[in-house]
Amino acid sequence: EVQLVQSGAEVKKSGESLKISCKGSGYTFTTYWIAWVRQMPVKGLELMGIINPGDSDTRYSPSFQGQVTISADKSISTAYLQWSSLKASDTAMYYCVRRESNGFDVWGQGTMVTVSS
Amino acid sequence: QSVLTQPPSVSAAPGQKVTISCSGSSSNIGKNYVSWYQQLPGTAPRLLIYDTNKRPSGIPDRFSGSKSGTSATLGITGLQSGDEADFYCGTWDSSLSAWVFGGGTKLTVL
Repeated sequence: EVQLVQSGAEVKKSGESLKISCKGSGYTFTTYWIAWVRQMPVKGLELMGIINPGDSDTRYSPSFQGQVTISADKSISTAYLQWSSLKASDTAMYYCVRRESNGFDVWGQGTMVTVSS
Repeated sequence: QSVLTQPPSVSAAPGQKVTISCSGSSSNIGKNYVSWYQQLPGTAPRLLIYDTNKRPSGIPDRFSGSKSGTSATLGITGLQSGDEADFYCGTWDSSLSAWVFGGGTKLTVL
């Protein structure tokens, strides 16, 4: 079964750092780009950035450039999303998703990040 | 403010048909494929339509997608109570060099 399994919920304080993960299985991890999508409470979807796990080529959406870092370790089929200094406004659900052609066909279960000030 | 505009809500009775619109511009829907996603309450979104009008395996043919100019439409026939969800359109915006989603539409089955 093709799936993306994300790390568990996090509760952090403003200013702390965080790295969440997304492990792919059931397919060749380096064949598909992996993106991260933010969903703030009761809000819509925002694509943050996307990475090619094969060569770590990474593209960021303009709103998220410089705010987060996306990386991947192809040896363990895992992608990461990290923050160096969290803000309360980073409180959201974060999904990793696999890009297939012109759509995102596999979604992780989501990682809830809560940041208190 | 989303680059792609969707109605906040739509509703219809069980068994009826509903359409959800997604309005964009020449830099996104006008020149790129559109995909649609369904997010059931408390769950992750799932892909319903890709390449504007194709369905992934496992998605019933009650769901369809189309595009005309700078607008795309998701159609759902034979509405069921289990279809109640939020629906999002998405596409690449060539001017922004970024993937964009619509603001989402909440479907209520009366």
